[in-house]
Amino acid sequence: DIVMTQAPLSVSVTPGESASISCRSSKSLLHSNGITYVYWYLQKPGKSPQLLIYRMSNLASGVPDRFSGSGSETDFTLKISRVEAEDVGIYYCGQLLENPLTFGSGTKLEIK
Amino acid sequence: EVQLVESGEGLVQPGSSMKLSCVASGFTFSNYGMNWIRQAPKKGLEWIALIYYDSSSKYYADSVKGRFTISRDNSKNTLYLEMNSLRSEDTAMYYCAKYGSGFDYWGQGVMVTVSS
Repeated sequence: DIVMTQAPLSVSVTPGESASISCRSSKSLLHSNGITYVYWYLQKPGKSPQLLIYRMSNLASGVPDRFSGSGSETDFTLKISRVEAEDVGIYYCGQLLENPLTFGSGTKLEIK
Repeated sequence: EVQLVESGEGLVQPGSSMKLSCVASGFTFSNYGMNWIRQAPKKGLEWIALIYYDSSSKYYADSVKGRFTISRDNSKNTLYLEMNSLRSEDTAMYYCAKYGSGFDYWGQGVMVTVSS
């Protein structure tokens, strides 16, 4: 199984500042078709998860452009610019390269 | 507007069975793969099952393989999860999720509690 390792476990950010969350996969998520199958989700308190970023760097529909994704074959970063209060929650990375589909353990973002 | 609405929530005893449903609307259900993903209390997300748009392929996490069955009825825009031999460790919120560009839409989730 592909293991997804996130860091840090939690991050506390002042509104208006930036935050970065890292995710590392135990295997390259770069497919031979050139697509990197890593995704980012946010689960706000008491809500269902929502998709933020697909295929490493593509912004999902309706997601503010303060969010961005980048990375290589095994190391990935979610960056949130100009953090707002509504960004609090748990961020998960996940891979869709192969079954079983797996998620990281999550990074909790709090506001200072 | 895409909507996924799960039902079948409940409390059951260990060893028993239960069936969850997820009714989809706002998109052409028969064109998309669908998934079940669960979240134990205070824990992270665990993908448990995927079914292709035409039911031609189904995949399961090892934790549920042989006990859970994913199925769908495209004429009813409905996804199912039949759960047998339930264990206490199956206690979780169960979400259905559309397989588009990632899990691009999620239901509100239903709580399944397995306890004597």
